[in-house]
Amino acid sequence: SAVISQKPSRDICQRGTSLTIQCQVDSQVTMMFWYRQQPGQSLTLIATANQGSEATYESGFVIDKFPISRPNLTFSTLTVSNMSPEDSSIYLCSANLRGRDGYTFGSGTRLTVV
Amino acid sequence: SQQGEEDPQALSIQEGENATMNCSYKTSINNLQWYRQNSGRGLVHLILIRSNEREKHSGRLRVTLDTSKKSSSLLITASRAADTASYFCAGGTSYGKLTFGQGTILTVHP
Repeated sequence: SAVISQKPSRDICQRGTSLTIQCQVDSQVTMMFWYRQQPGQSLTLIATANQGSEATYESGFVIDKFPISRPNLTFSTLTVSNMSPEDSSIYLCSANLRGRDGYTFGSGTRLTVV
Repeated sequence: SQQGEEDPQALSIQEGENATMNCSYKTSINNLQWYRQNSGRGLVHLILIRSNEREKHSGRLRVTLDTSKKSSSLLITASRAADTASYFCAGGTSYGKLTFGQGTILTVHP
């Protein structure tokens, strides 16, 4: 069955550095979505990534902090820039795969900023 | 911002019992979806109910939707220890965006 591969699965990073998270879908999808899940909280949509255009960011999220690339219909990256401890969260990508109800999620990236 | 509230926030039951989780939402939706998350990992889609549907079944899952009250419920029948997880409802729009509820932590004791 179609899957979304997300990596890294976890990382511990120093404040002030950046981390790039990758998601690879094994089929072509029009839109990919990036979410943040803060400790003990629900998921919040960061942005929607369309191939060939700039990502659309939700209120409270900006491109300088969370730049997104979408070079083709099967791949996307999210960078968390200039990290602070407040960025410690699980980051997840998702997409609606053809023929499926609902959305398929990557396995998540657990980020800890120290 | 979150779609709305889920209750209870936590539910603890014995194996074999039924588990009911409720979700309320604030804005217009195209569909209402339920997801499961084990130990802070990726989410697994459970069931989707469209805004013109009132009830849907899938295996041991039963979901209802009341658009007049902007609420949904998920019933898991004959629960198993393996059902222990966090459960989230999410309102879906025609554009593909999902807005998640706060979630219910379900613990099923063997």
